[in-house]
Amino acid sequence: EILMTQSPATLSVSPGERATLSCRASQSVGNNLAWFQQKPGQAPRLLIYDASTRAAGVPARFSGGGSGTESTLTITSLQSEDFAVYYCQQYHIRPLTFGGGTKVEIK
Amino acid sequence: QVQLVESGGGVVQPGRSLRLSCAASGFPFSNNAMHWVRQAPGKGLEWVALISADGSFRDYADSVKGRCSSSRDNSKNTLFLELNSLRGEDTAIYYCAREGIVGVVDDWGQGTLVTVSS
Repeated sequence: EILMTQSPATLSVSPGERATLSCRASQSVGNNLAWFQQKPGQAPRLLIYDASTRAAGVPARFSGGGSGTESTLTITSLQSEDFAVYYCQQYHIRPLTFGGGTKVEIK
Repeated sequence: QVQLVESGGGVVQPGRSLRLSCAASGFPFSNNAMHWVRQAPGKGLEWVALISADGSFRDYADSVKGRCSSSRDNSKNTLFLELNSLRGEDTAIYYCAREGIVGVVDDWGQGTLVTVSS
């Protein structure tokens, strides 16, 4: 099983600032990496797949990068609706595994 | 648009069984593999099960293997998850989710809460 580790656990950011979230895999996942956003009481929402491809309807301020064992999600100019928990997930090898999440909170 | 609606959750005693359903609409259900993912209260996401588009292939997380069975009725656009010998650690919101691009879980239902408690 591939272990996914996200850092930091919590990120305090002011609106309008940039946030960079990290995700590390215990072995290479190639580009088979997705990012999800989850708000309280809601289901996860797909943001990024194939490490850097934005899902339909996702604003351009969200971007994904990296490959292999290291991936990042960058949110430029944070908006109020972006404060949420973000999960990375690999689909390179079953079982699908998720990181523990990064909570982006208002500073 | 894609809609996934789970049902069947509730409070169940340890050791008992439960069958969850997921009604799908807005896409050709028989074309897509489907997943179940769960989330314990206040915790992260855990993948539970996968079933292929035609139902011929199924895979399960080790945490539920032997206690869990996923099935689907493509004529009724419905996905099922049967959980047996339920334990406290099975308490979670259970989401059904569609696999769009191979391996990518792209649409999720709102989930159904399963609480295992005596």
